[in-house]
Amino acid sequence: DAKTTQPPSMDCAEGRAANLPCNHSTISGNEYVYWYRQIHSQGPQYIIHGLKNNETNEMASLIITEDRKSSTLILPHATLRDTAVYYCIVSGTGTASKLTFGTGTRLQVTL
Amino acid sequence: DTAVSQTPKYLVTQMGNDKSIKCEQNLGHDTMYWYKQDSKKFLKIMFSYNNKELIINETVPNRFSPKSPDKAHLNLHINSLELGDSAVYFCASSQEPGTQYFGPGTRLLVL
Repeated sequence: DAKTTQPPSMDCAEGRAANLPCNHSTISGNEYVYWYRQIHSQGPQYIIHGLKNNETNEMASLIITEDRKSSTLILPHATLRDTAVYYCIVSGTGTASKLTFGTGTRLQVTL
Repeated sequence: DTAVSQTPKYLVTQMGNDKSIKCEQNLGHDTMYWYKQDSKKFLKIMFSYNNKELIINETVPNRFSPKSPDKAHLNLHINSLELGDSAVYFCASSQEPGTQYFGPGTRLLVL
């Protein structure tokens, strides 16, 4: 699986947009970018994924660069409940594909 | 109506004992997984089953044996527990490999 690089930690003020970057320069053509988060003591939670187009859902937006070597997860209006570790993962879609969780970015949302 | 449930939530046991963790999903997914998250918070896949068939088997000691009686259940039996087995074990399910739904975790402490 392709490797991803994320900053270890970020801070964001409540109500502001949180922009979490991820580098995945070795991504293959058929691999997707997935974002998960893990709030303290809970199981990881799927957020969003994309192949090459930008994606948006009720939780977040995903911006993927044209060369697909990096992406940004955007939480448009961060709240205290968004404080979590965010994981950027690159993976294929075959049955034997697996999610390889790295160390992620610890996002701290503050008042 | 929990989507992915695990029992027990907490498990404290002595070294050398044998224990089982159970997982059930009511999402109708074909694939289920077991992950281990150690004290340093690294989350690693252990096994995955697709329609009761073992698909992924990472380098896990033989003391760990998954069993899938039907596609809604995936249990994990651990023989001869060791101190290093202390961790949080997460079950997950998916219809597509990248979009996984995780359970709340089972916190295992081996004394």
